[in-house]
Amino acid sequence: QVHLQESGPGLVKPSQTLSLTCTVSGGSIDSEDYYWTWIRQPPGKGLEWIGHIYYSGTASYNPSLSSRLTISVDTSKDQFSLTLLSVTAADTAVYYCARADSGNWYVTLDSWGQGTLVAVSS
Amino acid sequence: DIQMTQSPSSLYVSVGDRVTITCRASQIIGRNLNWYHHKVGKAPKVLIYAASSLKSGVPSRFSGSGSGTDFNLTISSLQPEDFATYYCQQTHRIPYTFGQGTKLEIK
Repeated sequence: QVHLQESGPGLVKPSQTLSLTCTVSGGSIDSEDYYWTWIRQPPGKGLEWIGHIYYSGTASYNPSLSSRLTISVDTSKDQFSLTLLSVTAADTAVYYCARADSGNWYVTLDSWGQGTLVAVSS
Repeated sequence: DIQMTQSPSSLYVSVGDRVTITCRASQIIGRNLNWYHHKVGKAPKVLIYAASSLKSGVPSRFSGSGSGTDFNLTISSLQPEDFATYYCQQTHRIPYTFGQGTKLEIK
């Protein structure tokens, strides 16, 4: 049973950089069947797909964030990371990492971390 | 981006009720549609994938239907643990957008 755990600071100042890491256990990140995904949920709002990365390092981003966003992967540590530049209060959210099963014609977020709240405030 | 519109946004229901939630895509997405169950403070959980396939371990009272632009999630007999927010998600085209959610609340 794969387990995902987000880690990183819970408070970031406006204009600074938000960095989060997701550690994958119970399974290898080095698999052809999965994309490793970040999703967020601002307070009182719905879910927003941020982007995903393949174990090879190929990433896709939400265009609304792409100018500030980098997702990277470290297969030696079974970790993938999110870096978001120049944050504002609008980036305050619970951030989830998840595994997207893409081994068939469909894509499903079949395992999720518990989420971590990141507040942007001075 | 493909816009996903869920209805209703909230629903007051009782244990034992039959519940149907609708999700409409702004363009044709085939059967690239998932449904998730989400309780506050917990990780979302996939219920239905590929529009109508029940995820292993999910109770059979959950079912999904639809293709193209219109999709439904049905709960045949609501249980106490089903009071949560439900989201649809399209995975036809990046960015993989979600509906705004449907919250089931106790009547």
